[in-house]
Amino acid sequence: QERLVQSGAEVKRPGSSVRVSCLASGVTFHNFQITWLRQAPGQGLEWVGAMIPTYGTRHYGRIAPDRVTITADGSATYMELTSLRFEDTAVYFCARSPIIDMYRGKYYDFWGQGTLLTVSS
Amino acid sequence: EAVLTQSPGTLSVSPGEKATFFCRASRTESDTSLAWYQQKPGQAPRVVIYDTSNRASGIPDRFSGSGSGTDFTLTISRVEPEDIGIFYCHQYGSAPQTTFGRGTRLEIK
Repeated sequence: QERLVQSGAEVKRPGSSVRVSCLASGVTFHNFQITWLRQAPGQGLEWVGAMIPTYGTRHYGRIAPDRVTITADGSATYMELTSLRFEDTAVYFCARSPIIDMYRGKYYDFWGQGTLLTVSS
Repeated sequence: EAVLTQSPGTLSVSPGEKATFFCRASRTESDTSLAWYQQKPGQAPRVVIYDTSNRASGIPDRFSGSGSGTDFTLTISRVEPEDIGIFYCHQYGSAPQTTFGRGTRLEIK
């Protein structure tokens, strides 16, 4: 079955770090872009950052450019977010997109199921 | 990047009626395209339309997309109860970071 499988829900303290994984099952990351997005409760979708593993290119969005790191290892991709804040509480999604070039992707054709991150003291 | 404004905020439609969703970009950007996603409660979004007018795999032909420049439209010709959810437009192509609209909620009367 073709899908992206994400790691489970996390509860973290402010100031700590979290690492969320996204494993490809039946799909490939080769020549695709992997993007991490997040959705705060009742809100829309925010772009966190993206990577094209084939080229090693990465871009981070304005949400947390100095706190997020996206990596890939074969059929898995990871998003690490440091110095967590209450406002980082959200569902985090990984999503795959066909690439336009070594920097840009298109629409998201496969999505992970989402990982709820709760930042609470 | 462009800001995407979706309207209406909520669409309430009876089964069998047509539903029309609008997405307006704040500016025209070269080499960009638009996608539409449906998100049901507790689920990840799924692509419905990509490259403005192409139906994604498994999407019924009652869904169609159109538009150009700054104005784009998603139409469901005959709404069915399973179509409920929030529909987001998404513009991509001009830069690594992409933009989403804030969504239109589809309710069934």
